[in-house]
Amino acid sequence: DAGVTQSPTHLIKTRGQQVTLRCSPKSGHDTVSWYQQALGQGPQFIFQYYEEEERQRGNFPDRFSGHQFPNYSSELNVNALLLGDSALYLCASSLSGPTAQYFGPGTRLTVT
Amino acid sequence: QQQVKQSPQSLIVQKGGIPIINCAYENTAFDYFPWYQQFPGKGPALLIAIRPDVSEKKEGRFTISFNKSAKQFSLHIMDSQPGDSATYFCAARAGANNLFFGTGTRLTVIP
Repeated sequence: DAGVTQSPTHLIKTRGQQVTLRCSPKSGHDTVSWYQQALGQGPQFIFQYYEEEERQRGNFPDRFSGHQFPNYSSELNVNALLLGDSALYLCASSLSGPTAQYFGPGTRLTVT
Repeated sequence: QQQVKQSPQSLIVQKGGIPIINCAYENTAFDYFPWYQQFPGKGPALLIAIRPDVSEKKEGRFTISFNKSAKQFSLHIMDSQPGDSATYFCAARAGANNLFFGTGTRLTVIP
């Protein structure tokens, strides 16, 4: 049974560019949450997708957007990249409702 | 504003010791408190979790103690091993299942 998978593993982008990160949830899970983890910090909640809609959003600007597909996989898009967007981006999957979240290995984004 | 405060920032113990990591919160709407273990270059892995109507939960060598009135909870690792060396995060859940994380504790277990 595959756990949460994310791609790519690493990514280097230039300031001002746009990036798309991908996540496949754990088998049987229908909810995907995205988190940003800066170096030496705890993960911070970006947003959550359920039934192909954004259900909840943290304190992140509109440059951060997402999408969920009918197979429950998800994408995180970040436009107009800033140096401060450099971080590990984590995807977590869960069942709908208040259930445990399981994290993927993350995508390390470096903005130069 | 940090919704979940975690201490200490780092911790060094001898093999067999019992490291204790503490967390505190203010938001009484939090209804679920998980702990995650993270190794370098990996995503956080769920270790153990507790709900506020329970004062203690044990799973293997890991124990959570929960004090609802003080709004504090802690992780104890019994008989710690060098393989437990990692960063540990406490978290609290609110709303539709979004987690607020502490700042992490870097644990080193010396052989």
